[in-house]
Amino acid sequence: AQSVAQPEDQVNVAEGNPLTVKCTYSVSGNPYLFWYVQYPNRGLQFLLKYITGDNLVKGSYGFEAEFNKSQTSFHLKKPSALVSDSALYFCAVRDQAGTALIFGKGTTLSVSS
Amino acid sequence: GAVVSQHPSWVICKSGTSVKIECRSLDFQATTMFWYRQFPKQSLMLMATSNEGSKATYEQGVEKDKFLINHASLTLSTLTVTSAHPEDSSFYICSAIRLAGNQETQYFGPGTRLLVL
Repeated sequence: AQSVAQPEDQVNVAEGNPLTVKCTYSVSGNPYLFWYVQYPNRGLQFLLKYITGDNLVKGSYGFEAEFNKSQTSFHLKKPSALVSDSALYFCAVRDQAGTALIFGKGTTLSVSS
Repeated sequence: GAVVSQHPSWVICKSGTSVKIECRSLDFQATTMFWYRQFPKQSLMLMATSNEGSKATYEQGVEKDKFLINHASLTLSTLTVTSAHPEDSSFYICSAIRLAGNQETQYFGPGTRLLVL
């Protein structure tokens, strides 16, 4: 069975500092990995995904994530946080094309000015 | 770009009534759509997989007679919450898979917030 773990309920960073939101996964085959962001009372916005290729994936709004197969991790990063990045972030995984995404519990990112 | 819409975005209903939520893929055909449920400050939980022209596949613990799913066309899937009760109050989100050649992309709708009084 597939699963995703986001070990932190909340991450607090100061504006301008780098941020990391952690994600580890478990799948039986090759993983398809995703990051989404959700603002209050809104739907999901796609940030980035890893299917194959370079382990470092660059996405929307300056975010990037690194696929680490040995550690089964896919941490989300940004070099310099903005207050507007404050939101709920979800990591998701599936193990084959055409199947549903399985989501982590989410991590609330709070960026202070 | 590809868009998935949901209607209505908000619904308030009395306990015991049924509510239908529509999920449409606006500029692509989707043979597969998914329905998720999200409680406040919690993750999205997959409820069911909706396949055009066939019966939906429900996740364990989801009552198929309670949450009726119909995927009658390649651009529309509906979720009907039958005899709704306050515990059904939640944020319901659909997603649709777009296939373009070998590329597959999953798009999410904006969600429908259901409040059952």
